[in-house]
Amino acid sequence: QQQVKQSPQSLIVQKGGISIINCAYENTAFDYFPWYQQFPGKGPALLIAIRPDVSEKKEGRFTISFNKSAKQFSLHIMDSQPGDSATYFCAAVNFNKFYFGSGTKLNVKP
Amino acid sequence: DVKVTQSSRYLVKRTGEKVFLECVQDMDHENMFWYRQDPGLGLRLIYFSYDVKMKEKGDIPEGYSVSREKKERFSLILESASTNQTSMYLCASSSTGGYTFGSGTRLTVV
Repeated sequence: QQQVKQSPQSLIVQKGGISIINCAYENTAFDYFPWYQQFPGKGPALLIAIRPDVSEKKEGRFTISFNKSAKQFSLHIMDSQPGDSATYFCAAVNFNKFYFGSGTKLNVKP
Repeated sequence: DVKVTQSSRYLVKRTGEKVFLECVQDMDHENMFWYRQDPGLGLRLIYFSYDVKMKEKGDIPEGYSVSREKKERFSLILESASTNQTSMYLCASSSTGGYTFGSGTRLTVV
């Protein structure tokens, strides 16, 4: 059973638009929710993360929105750029064990 | 910056061969992990280790084993490679909080 469900599987956005990727989880014991960005030929790299005691975290153009009651969290990329084209993974963490979503391949068109 | 180095970027092996994938980290992290990454399936945990000579099965350990003789090195072993083990393999290490991934080894079994 997949612990973290991620959607969509792929996403095409025009330059300057907003990219939104969603994740949902079931286990209320998760206490850390990171997002990873992976470029072709590279390993995933930590992009931004949130703990469940806050509803939003913003770093530059990247924002995580967290809804504890709905057990959902999402990544918003504002003013999306072609350089943001990558695969994005959400994760949920409990006792240092990571459960990853299936990934979203983002393509930002110039 | 933590560096996680995977010894090979690309490998081609024959069915039935014994395959070793090596991973070295340079930040004295206790925890190390091996994942495989397949399209549409995201990152799946094969094995992990919280200390030297310690190993635990992840979600898909069948057909794999691991070795951790030194803190900085975590090896993934395919005892008898099969074509369904063709995949991207990612090593990661962590202390508290975040993962650092290596760049991955793309293994093709023919």
